[in-house]
Amino acid sequence: GQNIDQPTEMTATEGAIVQINCTYQTSGFNGLFWYQQHAGEAPTFLSYNVLDGLEEKGRFSSFLSRSKGYSYLLLKELQMKDSASYLCAVRDRADYKLSFGAGTTVTVRA
Amino acid sequence: SQTIHQWPATLVQPVGSPLSLECTVEGTSNPNLYWYRQAAGRGLQLLFYSVGIGQISSEVPQNLSASRPQDRQFILSSKKLLLSDSGFYLCAWSSGNEQPQHFGDGTRLSIL
Repeated sequence: GQNIDQPTEMTATEGAIVQINCTYQTSGFNGLFWYQQHAGEAPTFLSYNVLDGLEEKGRFSSFLSRSKGYSYLLLKELQMKDSASYLCAVRDRADYKLSFGAGTTVTVRA
Repeated sequence: SQTIHQWPATLVQPVGSPLSLECTVEGTSNPNLYWYRQAAGRGLQLLFYSVGIGQISSEVPQNLSASRPQDRQFILSSKKLLLSDSGFYLCAWSSGNEQPQHFGDGTRLSIL
């Protein structure tokens, strides 16, 4: 099974940078995903890491360290529309199922 | 391009009534299909997943069931709803085990 931890809430200022950490414990790791979920809406896929290192997609970057069971999502040049919940999900090697963290609610203030 | 449709968007049902939520995917064949539930302030809980027609795996014991009558159709059902069945139900698809999952718009279910 999986045990996934991420902070409940974070607040940042428009234009700033925010880093959302995710730690996990798993019996078999096969990839880590980040999703964005605006209030009342469905999650949308942001990024995927299966190897150690940094994956960059525009203003969003995701980092993975498998040996530490650790990932972070970095949001740069924050915009008001980035206010949302960010979900960390780990895929199991045995059955490919995703286990989700409870999500980190990011509030961007002017 | 692939799209996923889920309906209805909102549903209010009395306790003890039946349930049928439908999800269809377009633009792909033989997708993996998933049903999740998200309770307020909690993570997504996988309820069912399917890797092919008629193949359903259940993750948690409950009074819900799922069926896949066609390749790109996934249905979530219940014969008698409980108050605890309230939540945000999400259907998702992926093109394979190693691919990201993509979610439908969800159904917000309230049980009275």
